[in-house]
Amino acid sequence: QSVLTQPPSASGTPGQRVTISCSGSSSSIGSNYVSWYQQLPGTAPKLLIYSNNQRPSWVPDRFSGSKAGTSASLAISGLRSEDEADYYCASWDDSLNSPVFGGGTKLTVL
Amino acid sequence: QVQLQESGPGLVEPSQTLSLTCSVSGGSINGDSYSWTWIRQSAGKGLEWVGRIYPSGDTKYNPSLKSRVTISPDASNNQFSLRLSSVTAADTAIYYCARDPTVMDSADWYIDIWGRGTLVSVSS
Repeated sequence: QSVLTQPPSASGTPGQRVTISCSGSSSSIGSNYVSWYQQLPGTAPKLLIYSNNQRPSWVPDRFSGSKAGTSASLAISGLRSEDEADYYCASWDDSLNSPVFGGGTKLTVL
Repeated sequence: QVQLQESGPGLVEPSQTLSLTCSVSGGSINGDSYSWTWIRQSAGKGLEWVGRIYPSGDTKYNPSLKSRVTISPDASNNQFSLRLSSVTAADTAIYYCARDPTVMDSADWYIDIWGRGTLVSVSS
């Protein structure tokens, strides 16, 4: 059971906007920044968002992140078939004194 | 462009020690800008941070694995390694080495580069 809670699945149609949530606690998301990772089938995770809402240069602006209180969200606009992947959130946890991950959300593009 | 590549046995017997090496190319592990990390992914527990080595050479480990884990550098070969002792089937996972741009314990933790991962199975 993961420290951060994500819905196991999400779906959308091409062109649609999809949001994936990540819920934590005061010692994790409530006190620290959130990052997001995309894992395409059979590959390693890849950084998507860091510092709550910052995108690495290689990530298109269709992807955005936000944080409010002890929860965070990843939004994907203009959904494409190649966005079909697993998405993970992560944050430092002050109580555990280590990073923690969400259980992952499998995004299906219908 | 920095790349990381894991190597090591794909099968380890129960109670033995798992040993993996991460080779870093396109950058040096000796700099002050990055920590170097191991993360694993199993079907049952998802992604799990194993530990990291800081630029200072200090280490930090996942509390649940702390008594069994050692991460150490090999600066001459631009590599770092993972040793996990007394393994059980629960340690079966894909092990990733990764680069962590946070050089100290920070509220702003993340991983910016991942290796491809290597599957380690624990079985007799």
